[in-house]
Amino acid sequence: GQQLNQSPQSMFIQEGEDVSMNCTSSSIFNTWLWYKQDPGEGPVLLIALYKAGELTSNGRLTAQFGITRKDSFLNISASIPSDVGIYFCAGQITPGTYKYIFGTGTRLKVLA
Amino acid sequence: DAGVTQSPTHLIKTRGQQVTLRCSPKSGHDTVSWYQQALGQGPQFIFQYYEEEERQRGNFPDRFSGHQFPNYSSELNVNALLLGDSALYLCASSLVLRGQDTQYFGPGTRLTVL
Repeated sequence: GQQLNQSPQSMFIQEGEDVSMNCTSSSIFNTWLWYKQDPGEGPVLLIALYKAGELTSNGRLTAQFGITRKDSFLNISASIPSDVGIYFCAGQITPGTYKYIFGTGTRLKVLA
Repeated sequence: DAGVTQSPTHLIKTRGQQVTLRCSPKSGHDTVSWYQQALGQGPQFIFQYYEEEERQRGNFPDRFSGHQFPNYSSELNVNALLLGDSALYLCASSLVLRGQDTQYFGPGTRLTVL
């Protein structure tokens, strides 16, 4: 099925380090959502972005909607062990469609 | 404020059988989307229901069908199950305002087809 390019695929980091991940697409999106998913559970919404250039924070998380509308990134500052999980980006294509296309996921592992 | 709920949590079926999964949306939401998530993959859009009608469909065969009830809850039906239908089935609800469609997911139903 159709998926966005998300990188890195996985990463190991030390507790306290900052983390950055991104999603890119060949299509223009009108909405970007970032989710975190723990094993066997549903994705939990972290941040929603609706306008090109928009920069939004949620605690230690910051995400931006790329100016070209074809990419987005998520930063996590001062990582802690509970940040472990899989992070997904999801984009909704312009002109308006109702489905979201998900990225391939970034698996984050934090070493204490 | 109850979030999105799904039932059952787990289900085991055999090839050729039929299955029905259920979803109750988050309070105040009127739109339900269904996704299939295979192991190690991101969710794949199956379809979305709004005002009791299928509004958009992804690349899934007709064996996958759905329904939305007047109270906005929804069902996903899969007929003639195949081994490849084994996956986590996720329901997401939303309320589209000013063109913004922010989807909130339920915990999912794990379907195993033997």
